[in-house]
Amino acid sequence: EDQVTQSPEALRLQEGESSSLNCSYTVSGLRGLFWYRQDPGKGPEFLFTLYSAGEEKEKERLKATLTKKESFLHITAPKPEDSATYLCAVQSHSGGGADGLTFGKGTHLIIQP
Amino acid sequence: EAGVAQSPRYKIIEKRQSVAFWCNPISGHATLYWYQQILGQGPKLLIQFQNNGVVDDSQLPKDRFSAERLKGVDSTLKIQPAKLEDSAVYLCASSPRNYGYTFGSGTRLTVV
Repeated sequence: EDQVTQSPEALRLQEGESSSLNCSYTVSGLRGLFWYRQDPGKGPEFLFTLYSAGEEKEKERLKATLTKKESFLHITAPKPEDSATYLCAVQSHSGGGADGLTFGKGTHLIIQP
Repeated sequence: EAGVAQSPRYKIIEKRQSVAFWCNPISGHATLYWYQQILGQGPKLLIQFQNNGVVDDSQLPKDRFSAERLKGVDSTLKIQPAKLEDSAVYLCASSPRNYGYTFGSGTRLTVV
């Protein structure tokens, strides 16, 4: 059974204070690791997909990295608008075309001005 | 490109009543998913459709939940009868071919 554990559960930072969110996973065969952002009252918004260890992707102040056991979402010089819940999910190689995501509980990030 | 449309946005029902949610995916997206997100948790997959066929419903509580996708486009998710623990946000997502999910804003269900 695929499992995803995110830490910390919540994180409060000052504007401009860089930090990292962690996503540890166990999966039978990793097809992809996904990062989503979720704002209150909205559905998850896609950020990145990583496919193999060593891969990195960047978007504005966000950078995602992947190892064989975990992924990190690095936030550089965050702004208040980066406040949201960040969700990590894995997709495994399954038979029959099933490709649903297994999500972690998320990290609730608050950036204070 | 229009997003994934869901309705209603909110629903309050009493336990043992029935409820239905509707989803209209992005045009041309063959794959459609329903997820359940309980407060403070990540989304949990309930069912996956490829066109109008079910690919994965292993986590769907089939004694009370049902879903269909007519003509490979719109989909409905039904709960009958509802329990208190069904209170959650029900998210619909679609994908052109097993990659690049787009989620709708969800339906928030409260069972009292």
